[in-house]
Amino acid sequence: EVQLVESGGGLVQPGRSLRLSCTGSGFTVGDYGIIWVRQAPGKGLEWVGFIRSKAYGGTTEVAASVEGRFTISRDDSKSIVYLQMNSLKTEDTAVYHCSRALAAAGTSWFDPWGQGTLVTVSS
Amino acid sequence: DIQMTQSPSSVSASVGDRVTITCRASQGISTWLAWYQQKPGKAPKLLIYAASRLQSGVPSRFSGGGSGTDFTLTISSLQPEDFATYYCQQANSFPLTFGGGTKVEIK
Repeated sequence: EVQLVESGGGLVQPGRSLRLSCTGSGFTVGDYGIIWVRQAPGKGLEWVGFIRSKAYGGTTEVAASVEGRFTISRDDSKSIVYLQMNSLKTEDTAVYHCSRALAAAGTSWFDPWGQGTLVTVSS
Repeated sequence: DIQMTQSPSSVSASVGDRVTITCRASQGISTWLAWYQQKPGKAPKLLIYAASRLQSGVPSRFSGGGSGTDFTLTISSLQPEDFATYYCQQANSFPLTFGGGTKVEIK
């Protein structure tokens, strides 16, 4: 079964850092681009960022709202994609989901999605 | 950035009803559009991609249409398991953007 599982969420103070992991199974993670999307409590889906597969350079795109604070990386040997979140703000509080791109180059649709990990930024 | 506007934001319907949700892009995106279903506390699920292609395993009562700036998601005969929130997503260019969601509620 193709599956993605997020981990690493929790309660963190404003200004601190947190690293989320997205672990894939049932497929070769290195062959796919991976997206991060977040959902604030009671709100809609917001794209956070995307990392291309190594075949497409492994480059990243991030939303303007997190640019300069969040970075995405991947360790294909471990089937993990990371979301490093620095200088966290209260407005970063959300459930963070990862998902697999179904089109190779970048802009794409995504399936399946992980259940998400909750990040709460509060003092 | 491409803005995605969904309407209505919510709809009340009965089992067996036909429901249509619309999504409008602020600029042309050809057929670079996907639709997702999300139930409370669950992950989004891909229903439709490339505007009209049904994802494997999704019931045929779901259909998508449109191109350019105007798109639709239609549920031909609403089933109890279809009560959920639906989102469109443009895949034309970064930043990727989602519509605000349409909540389908039980009448």
